[in-house]
Amino acid sequence: DIQMTQSPSSLSASVGDRVTITCQASQDISNYLNWYQQKPGKAPKLLIYDASNLETGVPSRFSGSGSGTDFTFTISSLQPEDIATYYCQQYDNLFGGGTKVEIK
Amino acid sequence: EVQLVESGGGLVQPGGSLRLSCAASGFTFSSYWMHWVRQAPGKGLVWVSRINSDGSSTSYADSVKGRFTISRDNAKNTLYLQMNSLRAEDTAVYYCARWEVGATTGLGYWGQGTLVTVSS
Repeated sequence: DIQMTQSPSSLSASVGDRVTITCQASQDISNYLNWYQQKPGKAPKLLIYDASNLETGVPSRFSGSGSGTDFTFTISSLQPEDIATYYCQQYDNLFGGGTKVEIK
Repeated sequence: EVQLVESGGGLVQPGGSLRLSCAASGFTFSSYWMHWVRQAPGKGLVWVSRINSDGSSTSYADSVKGRFTISRDNAKNTLYLQMNSLRAEDTAVYYCARWEVGATTGLGYWGQGTLVTVSS
């Protein structure tokens, strides 16, 4: 079975900082990797699909990269409204453990 | 406007059953694969199940296989999750979500969730 390892589990950064989250698959999943944002008490929101494609309407400070087993999600300049937990998802099923992003 | 509205959650005893519903509107329900995802209190997202557009193919997480059944009624624009032999570890908010077709791939629309609590 495929395992998805997401890190870190939490991070604290200042407004304007560059934030990077990684997701590692236990086997090659090509580019079948999505990223979601979940704010407290809300349903998740799709941000990035197929590893690097920005969903319509999502700010360009969000980006994704990678293929095979190693993937990266980046917020180029952290904003207060980006406080949330971020999840990777292998194609249409397994989620990573999540990364809680807080403001320092 | 795409809307997904879950219902049917509540308190149930261990070993009991519950059926969740997800009413869809604002799109051609019969054209989309649908999923259930759950989230235990304070924990991460866990994929539960998915069903294809005509209901002929389903898939389940190992943790619910044999206990949960996903189904749909395209005439009623409704997705279901029948949950049997419930355990304390099934306690979670259950979300239904639509798998996108076309250029986007991913769970593009989600309901607000319905809370299932398994406790005596």
